[in-house]
Amino acid sequence: QVQLVQSGAEVKKPGASVQVSCRASGYTFTSYHIHWVRQAPGQGLEWMGAINFSDGIPTYPQKFRGRVTVARDTSTNTVYMALSSLSPEDTAVYYCAREVGFLKHFDYWGQGTLVTVSS
Amino acid sequence: QSALTQPASVSGSPGQSITISCTGTSSDIGGYNYVSWYQQHPGKAPKLMIYDVSNRPSGVSNRFSGSKSGNTASLTISGLQAEDEADYYCSSFTTGNTAYVFGTGTKVSVL
Repeated sequence: QVQLVQSGAEVKKPGASVQVSCRASGYTFTSYHIHWVRQAPGQGLEWMGAINFSDGIPTYPQKFRGRVTVARDTSTNTVYMALSSLSPEDTAVYYCAREVGFLKHFDYWGQGTLVTVSS
Repeated sequence: QSALTQPASVSGSPGQSITISCTGTSSDIGGYNYVSWYQQHPGKAPKLMIYDVSNRPSGVSNRFSGSKSGNTASLTISGLQAEDEADYYCSSFTTGNTAYVFGTGTKVSVL
């Protein structure tokens, strides 16, 4: 079955960087994207960017450009999301999610990774 | 890019039908048939319930249906059940300074 398994919770200080991983398994599509979506405590969902797993080309919204980096390792089917210059406002659960091809919806999600930013 | 607008809460009795609205603009909902809906239970990851406005993924109950008119999309849950109690988020592909925008979220309560 399709699984997206994320790395564990992180606690970071303001100004630091964090990296969250997402390992995909259970499917053989060659054309898919992995997206990153975050959810602050008690808040809604926010799209942070994505990567085309086939060619490794990332896409970022203007809000996060320059602060977020998404990369993939084809040998391990793992996608990494790095967020720099952390502030307490970045405290959130970070999810990875799969988009098959260019279908424009997210059919499977990781379990989420809590990132806490606190001094 | 502002979030799509949803009612904060909707409630209904078991067996009833409820509808959740999701209002955007011509740059997102009104411009594309790429509206999706996600169900999220507390402490869990979102789950895809509807995609491309009105399509259900395999395994999702046919009690869930979606539609769109102009800049507003809707999710209807018929035959409301206790297990439907959750938060629901709409999403749309969009153009502008982001590629995807989510709704503000609606808490569904089963009375």
